[in-house]
Amino acid sequence: GAGVSQTPSNKVTEKGKYVELRCDPISGHTALYWYRQSLGQGPEFLIYFQGTGAADDSGLPNDRFFAVRPEGSVSTLKIQRTERGDSAVYLCASRYPSFRTPGLRSTEAFFGQGTRLTVV
Amino acid sequence: GQQVMQIPQYQHVQEGEDFTTYCNSSTTLSNIQWYKQRPGGHPVFLIQLVKSGEVKKQKRLTFQFGEAKKNSSLHITATQTTDVGTYFCAGDGSSNTGKLIFGQGTTLQVKP
Repeated sequence: GAGVSQTPSNKVTEKGKYVELRCDPISGHTALYWYRQSLGQGPEFLIYFQGTGAADDSGLPNDRFFAVRPEGSVSTLKIQRTERGDSAVYLCASRYPSFRTPGLRSTEAFFGQGTRLTVV
Repeated sequence: GQQVMQIPQYQHVQEGEDFTTYCNSSTTLSNIQWYKQRPGGHPVFLIQLVKSGEVKKQKRLTFQFGEAKKNSSLHITATQTTDVGTYFCAGDGSSNTGKLIFGQGTTLQVKP
């Protein structure tokens, strides 16, 4: 697709349930990020992938949160035993090319429209 | 860990007045990026600064990267109602590992 696609756009779930949020990045973007944004706050870093591997997952709040990117393209953020405090907009972003290449400068991140998660 | 702070959190200006937001990182950055998020939207890239002391302009917007590569500013001259939104800075750490950390943003309101 032309941009970063996130599905679903809205998700309402009951406390304690399991949810999966999907991100389809721009084709060829090797880096993929997940952020969480609460009202009036900046995007809070959760995890980022370089290819298939999680290069940094230091932002995941606890072990209820997990993310995968098995083929280096689509990523899924998984939240177990959801809590009301998990309610937020979950943003996915991707960028290209890989900035691990020596001398290559970082590039802009392209964001999806986000998934608004509401835990009731 | 790396932290990026922005001030002020909110700014209300009269149309035509100037606006500035400041960004400070707890660690040296390899580069800094600025994004704008309109109400209900997602962050959209504005610009990237890489060199120490770098200044870039986009029409009425002036972006500056500090000499120590730990702070940055965005200045808007003669604000317009179309400038309304939240402006975020985001930094790549000095090791350029790819972890992009955002500030909490400055929300600009412009009164016509």
